[in-house]
Amino acid sequence: GENVEQHPSTLSVQEGDSAVIKCTYSDSASNYFPWYKQELGKRPQLIIDIRSNVGEKKDQRIAVTLNKTAKHFSLHITETQPEDSAVYFCAASTASGTYKYIFGTGTRLKVLA
Amino acid sequence: GAVVSQHPSRVICKSGTSVKIECRSLDFQATTMFWYRQFPKKSLMLMATSNEGSKATYEQGVEKDKFLINHASLTLSTLTVTSAHPEDSSFYICSARDTGSNQPQHFGDGTRLSIL
Repeated sequence: GENVEQHPSTLSVQEGDSAVIKCTYSDSASNYFPWYKQELGKRPQLIIDIRSNVGEKKDQRIAVTLNKTAKHFSLHITETQPEDSAVYFCAASTASGTYKYIFGTGTRLKVLA
Repeated sequence: GAVVSQHPSRVICKSGTSVKIECRSLDFQATTMFWYRQFPKKSLMLMATSNEGSKATYEQGVEKDKFLINHASLTLSTLTVTSAHPEDSSFYICSARDTGSNQPQHFGDGTRLSIL
């Protein structure tokens, strides 16, 4: 079955610096890759997603890149702010069947003011 | 748009009690809903996929008789933790996706279940 690895598990950056979180997946049939942000005790919120027919997608300070050949995708946050501090999860899914997600293990991002 | 409501947000009950958690899609129809369990500082572990009008699909290692799932309408799925024990204490969270392909999952606020 699908397996998603996520690194690093924790990441501390200075305010204003960039943060990069990387994920790899195992199932070549996966074609949808969302990223969720979860603050303590709250629901995961979708922040950006990418489909396999696209290599990069950007939304203001957040971008995601996808390398289908290497089965890698990454989240990039630029000009980080303290409110970016949270746990970030990547996921992989196939656009068929149940569309279920397999989540990565999460990255705890801490932005230091 | 795409709001998912989960209720209750917190439950504390005695061992042996059965607990029902509701997940509702408020502004869209969801043929598929998902139930996850999340341990402290851990990832979301998919327990089962809830399909409207049919039996749920459980992930390996999840006891279907322990975690009963019902998805009777396009906007409501319920998870019942039967005869709960302290080891069932956890954060349970549901998600729903709109019908059609390429729609993301939207999550409820979660239910923190504490079994004494």
